Amino acid sequence: GAGVSQSPSNKVTEKGKDVELRCDPISGHTALYWYRQSLGQGLEFLIYFQGNSAPDKSGLPSDRFSAERTGGSVSTLTIQRTQQEDSAVYLCASSLIFGTQYFGPGTRLLVL
Amino acid sequence: AQKVTQAQTEISVVEKEDVTLDCVYETRDTTYYLFWYKQPPSGELVFLIRRNSFDEQNEISGRYSWNFQKSTSSFNFTITASQVVDSAVYFCALSETQGGSEKLVFGKGTKLTVNP
Repeated sequence: GAGVSQSPSNKVTEKGKDVELRCDPISGHTALYWYRQSLGQGLEFLIYFQGNSAPDKSGLPSDRFSAERTGGSVSTLTIQRTQQEDSAVYLCASSLIFGTQYFGPGTRLLVL
Repeated sequence: AQKVTQAQTEISVVEKEDVTLDCVYETRDTTYYLFWYKQPPSGELVFLIRRNSFDEQNEISGRYSWNFQKSTSSFNFTITASQVVDSAVYFCALSETQGGSEKLVFGKGTKLTVNP
């Protein structure tokens, strides 16, 4: 079956602009995660969605970051007023509850 | 707090050599999962193995084997007879099953280069 898909693959934006990153999880997976991978910080957890439960936002680095998951499927990560330190690869993963997380190919974000 | 340490930043071997990637973890939880993921140059994280904290049996899958020792909080990964295609960054990760979120805490990764 299809894996996790993310779009766009690459995004170049100017400092101060807003960006939206999209994630389509594996069909039937109830849990969805966003992570960020940067040279300095490695792989960091950002946010977790599980079914209709309140999301775990404990990893979001600032209030410029937000995410939503509509209809229990597709998720969008939004970064407002982007800064150069936001440049990173943003990875999405999905899983069954308490299951193994499978990752998408990531969105490479470059803030100029 | 949870922590995963991969002390080896980079390893370089010649094809057909055996290589072991070290992983040491810290957690106060009694129930947790350990993982290894591979990230080839293409960038996508590829799942390799998941191990429950209650299952200390070693596991072998082809040329890959994993040694889980709870007494030393280690979950090491060995590649036997390495091949050029094994060149990648390998990440060890830990998740807890309590507290709601299944978030993974990753080590910094070990970059493995297998030379022909």
